[in-house]
Amino acid sequence: DTGVSQNPRHKITKRGQNVTFRCDPISEHNRLYWYRQTLGQGPEFLTYFQNEAQLEKSRLLSDRFSAERPKGSFSTLEIQRTEQGDSAMYLCASSSPGASIYGYTFGSGTRLTVV
Amino acid sequence: QKEVEQNSGPLSVPEGAIASLNCTYSDRGSQSFFWYRQYSGKSPELIMFIYSNGDKEDGRFTAQLNKASQYVSLLIRDSQPSDSATYLCAVRDNQGGKLIFGQGTELSVKP
Repeated sequence: DTGVSQNPRHKITKRGQNVTFRCDPISEHNRLYWYRQTLGQGPEFLTYFQNEAQLEKSRLLSDRFSAERPKGSFSTLEIQRTEQGDSAMYLCASSSPGASIYGYTFGSGTRLTVV
Repeated sequence: QKEVEQNSGPLSVPEGAIASLNCTYSDRGSQSFFWYRQYSGKSPELIMFIYSNGDKEDGRFTAQLNKASQYVSLLIRDSQPSDSATYLCAVRDNQGGKLIFGQGTELSVKP
């Protein structure tokens, strides 16, 4: 069990470019969550998957954002036509339903800077 | 809109003192409550969870829950400089299972 892994750790991109982040959850966890966190704020929920099914999306998730979890394993979060307001830490977390009362485990995050 | 509210701080306490962190939530049906610690530039780390009214102790940490008042708190006894971090309160959404976070309280423990 190597924990939740996120790549890349840092990403600097020019406004208007597309970026994609990857999250590898803890292997036995079937739930995977994406959050966004800006400086001085708590994590804001974006979306979550149970296995390969995307069960909930926040209204924060505009049509420029898309997330996938093929085969219920790793997940990707893509942001198209990035804007400066997309600069944030993108956090992935995973959990298993049986242990859901115990909260979930976060990865180290991907810090996105849009210039 | 379900909300979780925390004082953003910073809360400053001397080393060895008790730090008290507070959180209120809007959804009366919430059942599970969590405290995460986040060091600067790092991701949140789970330190406590509670789902029954009353107190739950783990080492120097005590979580307190009062569902009637929709209030959760975290007490840190014998505070250490290494406890300096942002503490995030989170509440599980009963409808979807996701965690809803407050904005966090920054704690500074002065030697």
